[in-house]
Amino acid sequence: AQSVTQPDIHITVSEGASLELRCNYSYGATPYLFWYVQSPGQGLQLLLKYFSGDTLVQGIKGFEAEFKRSQSSFNLRKPSVHWSDAAEYFCAVTGGGNKLTFGTGTQLKVEL
Amino acid sequence: NAGVMQNPRHLVRRRGQEARLRCSPMKGHSHVYWYRQLPEEGLKFMVYLQKENIIDESGMPKERFSAEFPKEGPSILRIQQVVRGDSAAYFCASSPGQPSSYNEQFFGPGTRLTVL
Repeated sequence: AQSVTQPDIHITVSEGASLELRCNYSYGATPYLFWYVQSPGQGLQLLLKYFSGDTLVQGIKGFEAEFKRSQSSFNLRKPSVHWSDAAEYFCAVTGGGNKLTFGTGTQLKVEL
Repeated sequence: NAGVMQNPRHLVRRRGQEARLRCSPMKGHSHVYWYRQLPEEGLKFMVYLQKENIIDESGMPKERFSAEFPKEGPSILRIQQVVRGDSAAYFCASSPGQPSSYNEQFFGPGTRLTVL
């Protein structure tokens, strides 16, 4: 069965600092991986996705993520965080069967 | 091009009542997914439907919950005899639906159900 672990429940960074959100997955074959962002009271917006090919993927809002098969990880990064990035971030995996399995999320707080 | 629409956005029910949640997929999308988000948790898959067919309902509770996606009209998630534990945010997503490859799911804003 596929699963996703986001070990950090809460993270606080200063505006302008770099950010890395961790995601580890468990899946028997090559996974499809995603990062979504959810602002309070809102739905989910897709930041980026990995299907195959280049293991470093670029997304919207200046985010990027790197797929590392040897570590079963798909960490999300941003070089310089903006106050508007404060939100909850979810990592998700699927094997192509369309059913997404989500992690429990990381709540990001940005200090001005 | 309107996104995925869900209504109502907020729904309050008393224990024992029925809740009906509606989802209109994006134009041209024929696949719909329902997810539930309990407080302080991530989203959990409930059911995957195509027009007039349930494809995967492995995440649906065995009792009181049902879903449909008729030929015409929105997809409906129905919860009978609601209990306090059903209080959650229910999200719908849709995709274009090409069975041979993975399709990105676009999410609606969710329906927040509160059971008193």
